[in-house]
Amino acid sequence: GAVVSQHPSWVICKSGTSVKIECRSLDFQATTMFWYRQFPKQSLMLMATSNEGSKATYEQGVEKDKFLINHASLTLSTLTVTSAHPEDSSFYICSATDDRGTDTQYFGPGTRLTVL
Amino acid sequence: GENVEQHPSTLSVQEGDSAVIKCTYSDSASNYFPWYKQELGKRPQLIIDIRSNVGEKKDQRIAVTLNKTAKHFSLHITETQPEDSAVYFCAASIGGTYKYIFGTGTRLKVLA
Repeated sequence: GAVVSQHPSWVICKSGTSVKIECRSLDFQATTMFWYRQFPKQSLMLMATSNEGSKATYEQGVEKDKFLINHASLTLSTLTVTSAHPEDSSFYICSATDDRGTDTQYFGPGTRLTVL
Repeated sequence: GENVEQHPSTLSVQEGDSAVIKCTYSDSASNYFPWYKQELGKRPQLIIDIRSNVGEKKDQRIAVTLNKTAKHFSLHITETQPEDSAVYFCAASIGGTYKYIFGTGTRLKVLA
């Protein structure tokens, strides 16, 4: 149980274009989803917290107009990187907590974004 | 702000030996401390967790200890195997939320 999927697993795009990443909880309802960014050989940095039906809460230093988050249902959250630039190239990982109110976050497999 | 320090950054052990990774957190309201194992290019996998009302938890070869007074928690892996080689991250919940702050990670190499 508690499986989280992400799509796509990798994407290459040109500078200036937008990229959408989907995060889905497959066998549970995710009241809260989180988006992280991880640069090579570094830790996971929380970007934003997403709750179904409400606006995402962004961490300090994360541009909300650049990283658009939509949590339209209890099983789907999307992250759109707008006007991507090479410095946005990274590994983006989502996680979700289930609706039982536990603290455990279950992680998706990640999406590797390369911006040319 | 809240912070989690993790040591060491790299750790090499011989197969069969024990490995210990230590973390220190700053938020006195943190009450949940998970440990994740991440292999290269893969998702972090929860391996063990502990809550603030417990001092120690064990699951086969893996154990976690928590000293809430000192704000320290540690991961202990006994009888290490080559497949234990990975990056391990500790995390601490941010008080009152489901958010985590992650440590900087420890790259564990188990030498056969």
